[in-house]
Amino acid sequence: QVQLVQSGAEVKKPGSSVKVSCKASGGTFSNYAISWVRQAPGQGLEWMGGIIPIFGAANYAQRFQGRVTITTDESTRTSYMYLSSLRSEDTAVYYCARVGVYGDAFDIWGQGTMVTVSS
Amino acid sequence: EIVLTQSPGTLSLSPGERATLSCRASQSVSSSYLAWYQQKPGQAPRLLIYGASSRATGIPDRFSGSGSGTDFTLTISRLEPEDFAVYYCQQYGSSPLYSFGQGTKLEIK
Repeated sequence: QVQLVQSGAEVKKPGSSVKVSCKASGGTFSNYAISWVRQAPGQGLEWMGGIIPIFGAANYAQRFQGRVTITTDESTRTSYMYLSSLRSEDTAVYYCARVGVYGDAFDIWGQGTMVTVSS
Repeated sequence: EIVLTQSPGTLSLSPGERATLSCRASQSVSSSYLAWYQQKPGQAPRLLIYGASSRATGIPDRFSGSGSGTDFTLTISRLEPEDFAVYYCQQYGSSPLYSFGQGTKLEIK
């Protein structure tokens, strides 16, 4: 059974950047899209962007264009989300999620990575 | 941009009661691309319904989805204690590629 395991919590200064990883264990990795979704404290879910490993091209939500980069490394079955120019409003839990066998819905989620941006 | 609006914001019910959650889209959404998720505190969301009305594997049949066009509904026929959580609808296919509703909190009355 596929699991997505994310890297640990991060504390960053405003203006810096963060890279969060999402490693897949079990199952097939390359054929399924991976998306990144974030959730600010007490708030709802926000889609940031996604990528299909076998194709390599990412698609980003417009509000994150220019600040976010999503990549994959098929050899290690890992997806990465890089977010730059961090500000306090980027404080959130960041999730990776797989588009699997249920149409285009997210069937498997990582456990989440808390990113705190504070001076 | 398609905006999903969920109502009510908070729903207070008792175990055993029926819950009806609404998700309204600002533009028509293909039924194939409407999903519902459940999220409990400190946990990642869990997929309940995809394609507007199909249950994901392992989801109890007390959960059902319906709707088309701009109006979609998640119904929980008889609430169990573990069903009290936040529920999100999600659409796929329009810019942004994915978007979520703001959520409905289902709380114990």
